[in-house]
Amino acid sequence: QKEVEQDPGPLSVPEGAIVSLNCTYSNSAFQYFMWYRQYSRKGPELLMYTYSSGNKEDGRFTAQVDKSSKYISLFIRDSQPSDSATYLCAMSRGTDSWGKLQFGAGTQVVVTP
Amino acid sequence: DGGITQSPKYLFRKEGQNVTLSCEQNLNHDAMYWYRQDPGQGLRLIYYSQIVNDFQKGDIAEGYSVSREKKESFPLTVTSAQKNPTAFYLCASDNRETGGLAGELFFGEGSRLTVL
Repeated sequence: QKEVEQDPGPLSVPEGAIVSLNCTYSNSAFQYFMWYRQYSRKGPELLMYTYSSGNKEDGRFTAQVDKSSKYISLFIRDSQPSDSATYLCAMSRGTDSWGKLQFGAGTQVVVTP
Repeated sequence: DGGITQSPKYLFRKEGQNVTLSCEQNLNHDAMYWYRQDPGQGLRLIYYSQIVNDFQKGDIAEGYSVSREKKESFPLTVTSAQKNPTAFYLCASDNRETGGLAGELFFGEGSRLTVL
């Protein structure tokens, strides 16, 4: 069983809809939770970053972490065609694993005009 | 502009051949990483290096080798011992030494290797 599970999609939504993405994980030692966005044939870029449990909002993006349920979410409000990309969740145990991340498979999102 | 440059973007290799993927960065970051991406599997860590002349195996190091002779460069060699080398390879670095976030990686644009 993978440490991080993520539905690969694709997830197709109309422009303006809310996109809801999530990951589950099995290792309770994870403390840092990230969402990376990857456009086709490009490298991933950090989109959202959360330490431990809680919510974080940045513009149209909201990241939620529920450590008790081992579940993280990303919401994209007022989705735009430019949001079409693959969204990867990632997590790490802490500063001793600084860049040694466990990634989900990635969810492909398509926002149609 | 600072960043990570990977080359070549696309590479074809015959079975039994070694191939080296280049990764150069001008971000002045100490730590560098190689990840492999396969459809439906996410990214998996191959090797990482925290400082020049030092590197460590990641989760899937078998069939790969690296060197770190210069801070700016971290090339990856895919050897003939790698059983299934066709994949998208991503090089990354972190900026912990300048207050970066644990887990924040800066990626190159990747190299797609196809074995014929």
